[in-house]
Amino acid sequence: DTAVSQTPKYLVTQMGNDKSIKCEQNLGHDTMYWYKQDSKKFLKIMFSYNNKELIINETVPNRFSPKSPDKAHLNLHINSLELGDSAVYFCASSPHTGNTIYFGEGSWLTVV
Amino acid sequence: AQSVTQPDIHITVSEGASLELRCNYSYGATPYLFWYVQSPGQGLQLLLKYFSGDTLVQGIKGFEAEFKRSQSSFNLRKPSVHWSDAAEYFCAVGARGSSNTGKLIFGQGTTLQVKP
Repeated sequence: DTAVSQTPKYLVTQMGNDKSIKCEQNLGHDTMYWYKQDSKKFLKIMFSYNNKELIINETVPNRFSPKSPDKAHLNLHINSLELGDSAVYFCASSPHTGNTIYFGEGSWLTVV
Repeated sequence: AQSVTQPDIHITVSEGASLELRCNYSYGATPYLFWYVQSPGQGLQLLLKYFSGDTLVQGIKGFEAEFKRSQSSFNLRKPSVHWSDAAEYFCAVGARGSSNTGKLIFGQGTTLQVKP
């Protein structure tokens, strides 16, 4: 069983569309994250949630909205997609803040 | 400002040769330290981590890393590289204690190429 799973793995969409990426972890962790990897492979945190509560929002445009229906799920919704949103988005989780973070396989988003 | 530097953007080694990937960090105090590996088209896999204790830590796939406080470094090593080790390697740091939000700061990555 995959510990942190995200869907879809690949997504190609047009500018202006709205899309969602779903993430689920079956590790029983309290904290979940979204990281973005840009075209230069630089990784940066976007959001983190602890027990469904937002604890980090790294000055991400408000077109990006995370939603955590329960502590095992953290979805990422993106409105009005722009070319610059093309990236790999990684979901991750950890037992709590300050512990080892485990990453999903990534979702490759291409905006055309 | 907190930062992580991986000085080598690209390294090529021959299969069977030893490997050392460098990582230096700038942080207010000793952070938690991690190395992750990303194979082409894949996610990030944790290789090893340092929280406290022995400064030489062992990880998966035969990797080890040594924390040197005086040099603010956490270099990754492997005595004999296999072709399957070709990948992108990321060093990362996280805060300790009350500053800990779980946020990791990553280096820019080192691409490892392995020659047959």
